[in-house]
Amino acid sequence: GAVVSQHPSRVICKSGTSVKIECRSLDFQATTMFWYRQFPKQSLMLMATSNEGSKATYEQGVEKDKFLINHASLTLSTLTVTSAHPEDSSFYICSARPSGGTGELFFGEGSRLTVL
Amino acid sequence: AQSVTQPDIHITVSEGASLELRCNYSYGATPYLFWYVQSPGQGLQLLLKYFSGDTLVQGIKGFEAEFKRSQSSFNLRKPSVHWSDAAEYFCAVAFTGGGNKLTFGTGTQLKVEL
Repeated sequence: GAVVSQHPSRVICKSGTSVKIECRSLDFQATTMFWYRQFPKQSLMLMATSNEGSKATYEQGVEKDKFLINHASLTLSTLTVTSAHPEDSSFYICSARPSGGTGELFFGEGSRLTVL
Repeated sequence: AQSVTQPDIHITVSEGASLELRCNYSYGATPYLFWYVQSPGQGLQLLLKYFSGDTLVQGIKGFEAEFKRSQSSFNLRKPSVHWSDAAEYFCAVAFTGGGNKLTFGTGTQLKVEL
């Protein structure tokens, strides 16, 4: 089946620094990828829809200047948490939809961000 | 607005017992329905999905789910639970015209007693 990989799986950073998380579709092309955030013991909340070659679409309440999304190629989307603060600590998960596929989404393994 | 409800936050069953996880949605039309499983610190794995057709859907790992339009439900079932099924289970829906954006329920944590 289709594989989506996220890197890094875990990252610890100091408050005020920026962190980049990569989401790659390893064996398919994806014009659309999605970024989710999951707080402990809670569900996944959609943050934004990443579209290859165009600006991301952010959900209401998500700061686009805080969470920069770049979808530079059909196999890579990146999420950069800028000027991270402890409240940004969370589990970030991406998903990708194969271009021309059935619409099924495939999820990455997630990236756990801890901001000290 | 559309929503997904998983009434049970935690469920504990004995290994070998049957399992049913509840999921209800609120939406005016038939949505696309999914069940995902998440192991600790991991991403999500799709168990099964319903788009149309037969309302009883078979998935991986021996799971099945039944779409009941009259009850706006899509409950997940397994006849005999294995210890390895312990995980977090999420029901999700995608709505027509929603561009494949998934709305997730709050999840049900399954514990299996040996």
